[in-house]
Amino acid sequence: QSVLTQPPSVSGAPGQRVTISCTGSSSNIGAGYDVHWYQQLPGTAPKLLMYSNSNRPSGVPDRFSGSKSGTSASLAITGLQAEDEADYYCQSYDSSLSGSVFGGGTKLTVL
Amino acid sequence: EVQLVQSGAEVRKPGESLKISCKGSGYSFTTYWTGWVRQMPGKGLEWMGIIYPGDSDTRYSPSFQGQVTISADKSISTTYLQWSSLKASDTAMYYCTRRGNSDADYWGQGTLVTVSS
Repeated sequence: QSVLTQPPSVSGAPGQRVTISCTGSSSNIGAGYDVHWYQQLPGTAPKLLMYSNSNRPSGVPDRFSGSKSGTSASLAITGLQAEDEADYYCQSYDSSLSGSVFGGGTKLTVL
Repeated sequence: EVQLVQSGAEVRKPGESLKISCKGSGYSFTTYWTGWVRQMPGKGLEWMGIIYPGDSDTRYSPSFQGQVTISADKSISTTYLQWSSLKASDTAMYYCTRRGNSDADYWGQGTLVTVSS
């Protein structure tokens, strides 16, 4: 059971918009700690997709956006493309564990 | 260009010891925390711990405290993850990461560790 809860899977057709939620608690997201998102394409190492809730690293398309409110965060992907099919993970810091924690991951399928 | 290059795949028997490495380049190695992340077969990411190579300050996830040792040799810009007695359940892909904009703004390519009798 992960400290941060994500839906196991989401799906959408090309061109559509999908969102992935990340729900935490008062010891992590709700305490004000930043949320980061990672994309893991099949058979590859994860890659930073979004940092500090809503900031895109250089090279990440603006089709990806992030937000945070209360004890939750969300990653939105618009204009869905086949190449977006991957596993997505959220991450934050947890004060009870005195360390970083990941969500369980969400598998995005492009129909 | 920031790069984290990890050592190659390893196969060990239960009870054996192992040390895998991660060499950083393209940045000031001693001023960025380096972390380790486990991914068991078909499963998600787990944060194991992190080290500050400048002074070897190390933090562990409670789940991994006492199970592994993280160390660093700043003279060769390398961090290590080691086990003294491997178990079959240690079979996984292990990634090193650099803490920058996020807890893991750069990732190594991964080291696959297989523990089997």
